[in-house]
Amino acid sequence: DQQVKQNSPSLSVQEGRISILNCDYTNSMFDYFLWYKKYPAEGPTFLISISSIKDKNEDGRFTVFLNKSAKHLSLHIVPSQPGDSAVYFCAASAVSNYQLIWGAGTKLIIKP
Amino acid sequence: GAGVSQSPSNKVTEKGKDVELRCDPISGHTALYWYRQSLGQGLEFLIYFQGNSAPDKSGLPSDRFSAERTGGSVSTLTIQRTQQEDSAVYLCASSLPGQISVYGYTFGSGTRLTVV
Repeated sequence: DQQVKQNSPSLSVQEGRISILNCDYTNSMFDYFLWYKKYPAEGPTFLISISSIKDKNEDGRFTVFLNKSAKHLSLHIVPSQPGDSAVYFCAASAVSNYQLIWGAGTKLIIKP
Repeated sequence: GAGVSQSPSNKVTEKGKDVELRCDPISGHTALYWYRQSLGQGLEFLIYFQGNSAPDKSGLPSDRFSAERTGGSVSTLTIQRTQQEDSAVYLCASSLPGQISVYGYTFGSGTRLTVV
């Protein structure tokens, strides 16, 4: 049973436009959500996180939105740049647990 | 070191052989994780070490898999009698406890294991 789902395996966006990556979860005990970015042949790198007590967190071009009632979060990248082309993973955790539960990832392709 | 170091970066082995994968975590990080990522899949938890506590081995897929962490630092993941389904990227990560929820882990670059 997948507790964290990223339903889009890939997404193609024009450079300069907004990229929106989506993630759904099923476990209401999750209270932190994280986004990671992964380039080929590298390990995932932490991008941004959000606590369940917030509905938005912003860091430069990256904004994460959380809709707890819908158990849905999204990562917005504005404006999209060629270097943003990577696989993006959504992950979730409960404070009481030391594990992150991961989605399958979405491959973002930024077209010039 | 400055980051999490994994070796080898690539390993091709014949079915039935044993392999050892090494992870050197960030100095001072007491928590160490092993994950694997099969083609097109998310990250699958394998094992977790925290300080001197007994490791959480609940993610190990079979008894062919084992891991140890010596001196609270370097960790070795061993796969005995490798099978083709073991082919994946094996990722090691480390963190300071209590920071996982907010900052997650720091990953190494992974070992790509191919069993032929």
